[in-house]
Amino acid sequence: NAGVTQTPKFQVLKTGQSMTLQCAQDMNHEYMSWYRQDPGMGLRLIHYSVGAGITDQGEVPNGYNVSRSTTEDFPLRLLSAAPSQTSVYFCASSYSKDRGPGELFFGEGSRLTVL
Amino acid sequence: DAKTTQPNSMESNEEEPVHLPCNHSTISGTDYIHWYRQLPSQGPEYVIHGLTSNVNNRMASLAIAEDRKSSTLILHRATLRDAAVYYCILKYSGAGSYQLTFGKGTKLSVIP
Repeated sequence: NAGVTQTPKFQVLKTGQSMTLQCAQDMNHEYMSWYRQDPGMGLRLIHYSVGAGITDQGEVPNGYNVSRSTTEDFPLRLLSAAPSQTSVYFCASSYSKDRGPGELFFGEGSRLTVL
Repeated sequence: DAKTTQPNSMESNEEEPVHLPCNHSTISGTDYIHWYRQLPSQGPEYVIHGLTSNVNNRMASLAIAEDRKSSTLILHRATLRDAAVYYCILKYSGAGSYQLTFGKGTKLSVIP
């Protein structure tokens, strides 16, 4: 099993550029989510999804878009990157949706730098 | 979501037991206590969770106070690989709650 796969692992952008962070899981998990982690901080939830076609905002959604067209994939889009979005991004998935996420499985992270 | 309080950092000698504390005085009866850890340059990984009774698995043990206002993650023999940031999280077990709040956690250093 590959688990949760994130691409790219590293990316450098200029202010105003757009990009998509990819996240795929092969565990047939219903719940998927995106977190960001800044130095010395815990993880903050950006967006999450409880199934194909369903997404919702987390704690820090501004500047990010998501969609969930399939169970396997949950891409995170930055439409106009800003230096404040420099961070490490983690995708996580879980098998449960009805009672909130169960055990979360995390990807290895995508380190984004916005100049 | 109910909050948790953890020490910023702790140290342990290799091969000795480690007790990582977590205070959650505002926990509700439907909150599960979850622990995750994050090794350097990796994503967090699940360690253990419990509701009321103490729990054991291959990675660790979780001791929950009788009033549930605190818990302790126990690593029975610390290894260098256990050096990580440990997060204590409360997860509401009711329907419609999908947000897990990760605080800053406890950074565990293991001394050879």
